[in-house]
Amino acid sequence: ETGVTQTPRHLVMGMTNKKSLKCEQHLGHNAMYWYKQSAKKPLELMFVYNFKEQTENNSVPSRFSPECPNSSHLFLHLHTLQPEDSALYLCASSQVLAGAPQTQYFGPGTRLLVL
Amino acid sequence: GQNIDQPTEMTATEGAIVQINCTYQTSGFNGLFWYQQHAGEAPTFLSYNVLDGLEEKGRFSSFLSRSKGYSYLLLKELQMKDSASYLCAVVDSNYQLIWGAGTKLIIKP
Repeated sequence: ETGVTQTPRHLVMGMTNKKSLKCEQHLGHNAMYWYKQSAKKPLELMFVYNFKEQTENNSVPSRFSPECPNSSHLFLHLHTLQPEDSALYLCASSQVLAGAPQTQYFGPGTRLLVL
Repeated sequence: GQNIDQPTEMTATEGAIVQINCTYQTSGFNGLFWYQQHAGEAPTFLSYNVLDGLEEKGRFSSFLSRSKGYSYLLLKELQMKDSASYLCAVVDSNYQLIWGAGTKLIIKP
């Protein structure tokens, strides 16, 4: 248990569906992240939120829409996904201090399958 | 471009020692992380190196050579539960994490 929870753990959706992934961190951190993990590929950073403000959007398609209502919760809204979007979606959090790298703590991920 | 290289898969025997290498080419360097990820679970933090040398933490040790752009994770007295993927990640000049693809370690009895 790392202090970061994600729901659902597994999700199967059609290309026309709309669904949302949820992440919650109980560590008092001020930054949250969404990553995509595909088999045998490096983790792909999708979005970063510092103090609820989005600071990073790594050219992610608009069919992925993040939302960060407060520093403890992070959502990833999904709509009209493609089969190649099937992957493990990981949420992470960290305590960001100026000029210092911080350890990221990960949730268990949501295994997404798009049919 | 930025690049992290790790072997895709390694196999070792229970009770033995294994060394997982990571080489990197990044724009700047502000440290290197190692994470462990069991199948279907969250990556968990193992170590962080920012200075050259060896850091020992129980059965696991991590080594860094900044001049060579090289790190390794050393696992001693291997146990079956050490079967997992091991992820190397470098912090670049913008304090962004650049991730390797991970090394899947298989432990055999």
